[in-house]
Amino acid sequence: QKEVEQDPGPLSVPEGAIVSLNCTYSNSAFQYFMWYRQYSRKGPELLMYTYSSGNKEDGRFTAQVDKSSKYISLFIRDSQPSDSATYLCAMSAVGGATNKLIFGTGTLLAVQP
Amino acid sequence: DAGVTQSPTHLIKTRGQQVTLRCSPKSGHDTVSWYQQALGQGPQFIFQYYEEEERQRGNFPDRFSGHQFPNYSSELNVNALLLGDSALYLCASSLWENIQYFGAGTRLSVL
Repeated sequence: QKEVEQDPGPLSVPEGAIVSLNCTYSNSAFQYFMWYRQYSRKGPELLMYTYSSGNKEDGRFTAQVDKSSKYISLFIRDSQPSDSATYLCAMSAVGGATNKLIFGTGTLLAVQP
Repeated sequence: DAGVTQSPTHLIKTRGQQVTLRCSPKSGHDTVSWYQQALGQGPQFIFQYYEEEERQRGNFPDRFSGHQFPNYSSELNVNALLLGDSALYLCASSLWENIQYFGAGTRLSVL
């Protein structure tokens, strides 16, 4: 079993839709939870990060962490064609020797105009 | 404020050759991590450097080695290249918080 599971998609939605992207994980030591956006043939761009549990909102993006269920989500409101990309979840434990990022495989999102 | 910069952008090598990839961290960052991303996969951790020492290593063979310089920049070296080493190599930098910022990557093709 992989430490981080993510539905690879592809996910296709019409412009203006609400998008829900999700990851599950198995390592209870994870404390940092990140979402990255990656356009084709580019490096990952940090969208949001959360420490421990809870919600975080930034514009059209909302990140949620449910540590009891080992489940994280990213919601995109009023999706735009420019949101079309691969979305990667990543997680890490706390501490200098354990802070490598473990990534999901990424979900490919296409927002249709 | 310059972000993470990587060079070169693209590289083509043949099997058995050696390659060196370079990374300059985001201004103010002191920790550099390297990742390998195969097509259609998430990045896989190779190793991390802090204070010029390899602090942590992922499941990669000794053919993969690295270095960090006093100015925090870093190199990734891969010896005896295999076809399976073809991938996007990503450098990320961070500070004491484990919030890592990535460069655009170096795309390595091994023929």
